[in-house]
Amino acid sequence: KAGVTQTPRYLIKTRGQQVTLSCSPISGHRSVSWYQQTPGQGLQFLFEYFSETQRNKGNFPGRFSGRQFSNSRSEMNVSTLELGDSALYLCASSSSTVGETQYFGPGTRLLVL
Amino acid sequence: GEDVEQSLFLSVREGDSSVINCTYTDSSSTYLYWYKQEPGAGLQLLTYIFSNMDMKQDQRLTVLLNKKDKHLSLRIADTQTGDSAIYFCAESMTDTGRRALTFGSGTRLQVQP
Repeated sequence: KAGVTQTPRYLIKTRGQQVTLSCSPISGHRSVSWYQQTPGQGLQFLFEYFSETQRNKGNFPGRFSGRQFSNSRSEMNVSTLELGDSALYLCASSSSTVGETQYFGPGTRLLVL
Repeated sequence: GEDVEQSLFLSVREGDSSVINCTYTDSSSTYLYWYKQEPGAGLQLLTYIFSNMDMKQDQRLTVLLNKKDKHLSLRIADTQTGDSAIYFCAESMTDTGRRALTFGSGTRLQVQP
């Protein structure tokens, strides 16, 4: 099976702009989770989607949002970008079984200038 | 609350065994994971252990879980230069079906030839 894919891999934006990142999960996986990785805060959970519904949300401001489509592909959006949003954004997918492990994509590296 | 701690750095010689340690605080954790991250890459799942187990072996990797002390370790036998990376310990409470992972800060493993 193909792994988790994320697009784009690299992105440069300026403060105040918005950005949309895309994630395609492993075929058959219905759960998609998003994480932010920064040198200062480490890896932090953003949100999880399952069957097009947000099932869990981390402690991030409302500028961070996401959605999931019927084919399980997911997008996350960050509006009104701030310098501190510069990070590696990682997407992970898992099957619908409780306790199933999460498999990560290569990430999208976002730089906000 | 959830908190996962790891030491920041470990240096070993090629051929030696590496032991990376992790402590967690949430006794409700049901799954504990080890991920590997190489420079510029996403997270690669190495292995995981269910909380009712105390040991799991997978080729060169051995995971030990001491649930009483909330201590998890990853032993890499015959460490190779290709094992140089950052290793993350993560816990997940999946009894509710939610898959948010809480990560440690990562241990940088340096393997010297």
